[in-house]
Amino acid sequence: GAVVSQHPSRVICKSGTSVKIECRSLDFQATTMFWYRQFPKKSLMLMATSNEGSKATYEQGVEKDKFLINHASLTLSTLTVTSAHPEDSSFYICSAREQGNTIYFGEGSWLTVV
Amino acid sequence: GENVEQHPSTLSVQEGDSAVIKCTYSDSASNYFPWYKQELGKRPQLIIDIRSNVGEKKDQRIAVTLNKTAKHFSLHITETQPEDSAVYFCAALPSNDYKLSFGAGTTVTVRA
Repeated sequence: GAVVSQHPSRVICKSGTSVKIECRSLDFQATTMFWYRQFPKKSLMLMATSNEGSKATYEQGVEKDKFLINHASLTLSTLTVTSAHPEDSSFYICSAREQGNTIYFGEGSWLTVV
Repeated sequence: GENVEQHPSTLSVQEGDSAVIKCTYSDSASNYFPWYKQELGKRPQLIIDIRSNVGEKKDQRIAVTLNKTAKHFSLHITETQPEDSAVYFCAALPSNDYKLSFGAGTTVTVRA
């Protein structure tokens, strides 16, 4: 299957700082990428849809100014958690949609805010 | 929007037995139904998918069935092995939308 790469896999940051997570589609172009947050033993919660060349579409309740999404190319989307707080600690996963609707996930990023 | 319900939430089976997970969806426009397997701390892996023009699809020990009339689809794992232990998610994608709707997940434990 197609490959989606996410980086970093783990990051620890201090409260108040910002953290950037990258999501790349390695062998296909993705006009649409998705960012999820997953709490322990829970399902995937869609945060926003990243659209290449335009603004991201955020789900209800997700602060767009806190979770900045940029989709500057057909193979890269970034999620920046701004002014991070301990409650932002979580597992963040991206996914990318291939032709034909098949969706592949990145490896995920564990964020710990201390 | 689409609403996907998944049952059971946990499933424990003896090695070698079969496991069945069922999902229902609400949007009749949904036409793509993937299943993902997620091991602890790792990414969801696509294990099988089915489109609405097909009633059943099989890949070795894994099969998925789709009943469009009843709006439900199921994952069947035969001859389960310990490495099948994971959380499984079903999902549905409406033809007029671009977002997958996920079920709540099923934690499968295969007892040796």
